[in-house]
Amino acid sequence: AQSVSQHNHHVILSEAASLELGCNYSYGGTVNLFWYVQYPGQHLQLLLKYFSGDPLVKGIKGFEAEFIKSKFSFNLRKPSVQWSDTAEYFCAVTGGGNKLTFGTGTQLKVEL
Amino acid sequence: NAGVMQNPRHLVRRRGQEARLRCSPMKGHSHVYWYRQLPEEGLKFMVYLQKENIIDESGMPKERFSAEFPKEGPSILRIQQVVRGDSAAYFCASSLGSGSRFYEQYFGPGTRLTVT
Repeated sequence: AQSVSQHNHHVILSEAASLELGCNYSYGGTVNLFWYVQYPGQHLQLLLKYFSGDPLVKGIKGFEAEFIKSKFSFNLRKPSVQWSDTAEYFCAVTGGGNKLTFGTGTQLKVEL
Repeated sequence: NAGVMQNPRHLVRRRGQEARLRCSPMKGHSHVYWYRQLPEEGLKFMVYLQKENIIDESGMPKERFSAEFPKEGPSILRIQQVVRGDSAAYFCASSLGSGSRFYEQYFGPGTRLTVT
């Protein structure tokens, strides 16, 4: 069975700081990888995805993620966060089917 | 720009009653997924449906839970004889039926079920 681990449950940063959220998955086959974001009071939105090809993928709002197959990781990064990035971030994976397996989420708070 | 619609947004049921949660997928999407988020837990897959077919129900509890996606109308997640442990947020997602975006799932706002 596949699983996803997000190591940081709560992260607090100041505006303009750099962000990296860790995500590791366990699955032996080909995977599709996703980051979703949930802003306060809103529903889950797709931030970026990796299916194949270039392991460095760019998403909306300046976010990017790097797929490192040897480490089973798909970490999310942003060079300079803004107050509006305050949200909960979920890493997810599909492998051998189309059902998403989610991590438990990371609550990011950006302070002015 | 009609996204995935879910209703009701909040549902309160007493123990033993039935809960019906509805989901209308995005326009053009023919695949629907249901996920459940229990308090302090991440989202967990429940069931994956196409029109008139259940494709994968490996995450559905064996009893009291059922789902359908009829030819016409929304997908329905039905919980019979609810118990307090069913209190959770239930999210629906939809995707295209084929193509490069087949694996992209778009989520609705969720239905928060409270069992008293």
